[in-house]
Amino acid sequence: TQLLEQSPQFLSIQEGENLTVYCNSSSVFSSLQWYRQEPGEGPVLLVTVVTGGEVKKLKRLTFQFGDARKDSSLHITAAQPGDTGLYLCAGARSNYQLIWGAGTKLIIKP
Amino acid sequence: NAGVTQTPKFQVLKTGQSMTLQCAQDMNHNSMYWYRQDPGMGLRLIYYSASEGTTDKGEVPNGYNVSRLNKREFSLRLESAAPSQTSVYFCASSWTGVEQYFGPGTRLTVT
Repeated sequence: TQLLEQSPQFLSIQEGENLTVYCNSSSVFSSLQWYRQEPGEGPVLLVTVVTGGEVKKLKRLTFQFGDARKDSSLHITAAQPGDTGLYLCAGARSNYQLIWGAGTKLIIKP
Repeated sequence: NAGVTQTPKFQVLKTGQSMTLQCAQDMNHNSMYWYRQDPGMGLRLIYYSASEGTTDKGEVPNGYNVSRLNKREFSLRLESAAPSQTSVYFCASSWTGVEQYFGPGTRLTVT
């Protein structure tokens, strides 16, 4: 059972465009993390959001945690080829275990 | 600091063979994890160790065993490999139990 649904599963856009990817659940999480994974490598932590409604920015990436702490979004402004990768969200429901989404594969074309 | 290291990077096994995947971290983290990643399915937790001396089953533990050798090292053993265990295996560690740091992965093929 996939408790965290990510959409879209795949996105291919031109350099300079904006995009948003979503991470949705019917469950409440104590925190939610976003990771980026490049081919042949392990996931790398980008950000953790904890408070409902929280917004965090990492350069051109904006992360938002839903008010009810059940969903999150990642918005990229003026996408660049270096943003290409698999974006994974993961929700924490208890210590030591994360619930993972299946990922959004993002390709930014020059 | 090397972070999380995994060996080997690639492995091909025949059905029924056994092998151990090694993982070590130099960040003094208490908790360590083993995941498998299959296309379209995200990361699935196999086993985890919340602290040295403890191990617990995750979502997909069947066919695997683990050993938390010391605070730094956490190994994953396949006793009798099956084609369904063809996957990419990741080790991760964490200080908080939530924010996790991953190794580069082991790509395993079972024929």
